[in-house]
Amino acid sequence: GQQLNQSPQSMFIQEGEDVSMNCTSSSIFNTWLWYKQDPGEGPVLLIALYKAGELTSNGRLTAQFGITRKDSFLNISASIPSDVGIYFCAGQKAAGNKLTFGGGTRVLVKP
Amino acid sequence: DTGVSQDPRHKITKRGQNVTFRCDPISEHNRLYWYRQTLGQGPEFLTYFQNEAQLEKSRLLSDRFSAERPKGSFSTLEIQRTEQGDSAMYLCASSLTFPNTEAFFGQGTRLTVV
Repeated sequence: GQQLNQSPQSMFIQEGEDVSMNCTSSSIFNTWLWYKQDPGEGPVLLIALYKAGELTSNGRLTAQFGITRKDSFLNISASIPSDVGIYFCAGQKAAGNKLTFGGGTRVLVKP
Repeated sequence: DTGVSQDPRHKITKRGQNVTFRCDPISEHNRLYWYRQTLGQGPEFLTYFQNEAQLEKSRLLSDRFSAERPKGSFSTLEIQRTEQGDSAMYLCASSLTFPNTEAFFGQGTRLTVV
């Protein structure tokens, strides 16, 4: 079963808001990756993190590799409608090995 | 387009039939991975190859499942005697082993067993 816990499981956004989500593990991972998946499509890589404490940005996205190597965080600033989708964190014990995924954070638009 | 390509995108099959899926990785990538994803869940690892060698198989990969990567390029995943529980999205990904090891995914094959 999955070893990564993502929080929150779902969230509503309003255009322009900042969004935060996190991923925690009971074991250490040496690489953390964040993916976004749209319905019926494969996951698309957003950010990869290789060092504990690393803070990396990709446009409006910022992700951090936790100091303990057991967690990671993703922030989306100034959200826009196309940010809707499911965000997955994934950890690797060693670079290039299999990924262990979280259960996803579903981002929805506020009605 | 030089991304990961999967074929077919959708497959509907009757229970008990065999199915085969194909994955073409990014051309210079030597690692190729198969994952399975059910509705509302994250992808779960099935197996991976480095070149033509199958390096790891998950316990999820029952003896009805077999994967090959005969020439270290494309890969096939075969499911024999399909069961309704095999219905899922089957995802393929590829990566380098150096210097960057990020895995890039294909669009997946959606299998429905009726």
